[in-house]
Amino acid sequence: AQSVTQLDSQVPVFEEAPVELRCNYSSSVSVYLFWYVQYPNQGLQLLLKYLSGSTLVKGINGFEAEFNKSQTSFHLRKPSVHISDTAEYFCAVIFITSGTYKYIFGTGTRLKVLA
Amino acid sequence: EPEVTQTPSHQVTQMGQEVILRCVPISNHLYFYWYRQILGQKVEFLVSFYNNEISEKSEIFDDQFSVERPDGSNFTLKIRSTKLEDSAMYFCASRTPRLTGELFFGEGSRLTVL
Repeated sequence: AQSVTQLDSQVPVFEEAPVELRCNYSSSVSVYLFWYVQYPNQGLQLLLKYLSGSTLVKGINGFEAEFNKSQTSFHLRKPSVHISDTAEYFCAVIFITSGTYKYIFGTGTRLKVLA
Repeated sequence: EPEVTQTPSHQVTQMGQEVILRCVPISNHLYFYWYRQILGQKVEFLVSFYNNEISEKSEIFDDQFSVERPDGSNFTLKIRSTKLEDSAMYFCASRTPRLTGELFFGEGSRLTVL
């Protein structure tokens, strides 16, 4: 079965430090990859997406992610975090097989930026 | 910028009552979704809807749930007889027909069942 794994449920990091949030998916079929952010008491907002082309994609708020097909990963990174980056981050993958389209979310990683 | 809107933002109801959550998807989108997020947990898929019918549903989406697109703009989720465990944030989402289309989410409707 197709699945999306976010290995870290919580990541505490000090302000201005770099951070990496990990995302792996289960299958090597055609995929499109997304990261969403959820600030406290808000909905989900798209951070960035990979559809094709360069494997390094840049998103809003200084975040970037790299698609690694061989490792079936799409890790999210930011070189220097701010307090305002404290939020829940969800990796999502569209799996496309035999004409079907399945949009699956990971379990989320809570990023807590400490002063 | 077009957005998905949801009402109500918060609803408190008694167990056993019927609840309808409303969504207005982005106007040129054709695929519609409901997701649920129990407090502190992951976002769970409930149902997808296309061409006036359910295209896929999860095991969570049992007979207590139904969806409808009563007119050209609204997309509703009805819970017939709410249970305590239905307390959650419910997110509506929509996307374009493009296969690579990202989901656009509403701000969510928080349902509290007492």
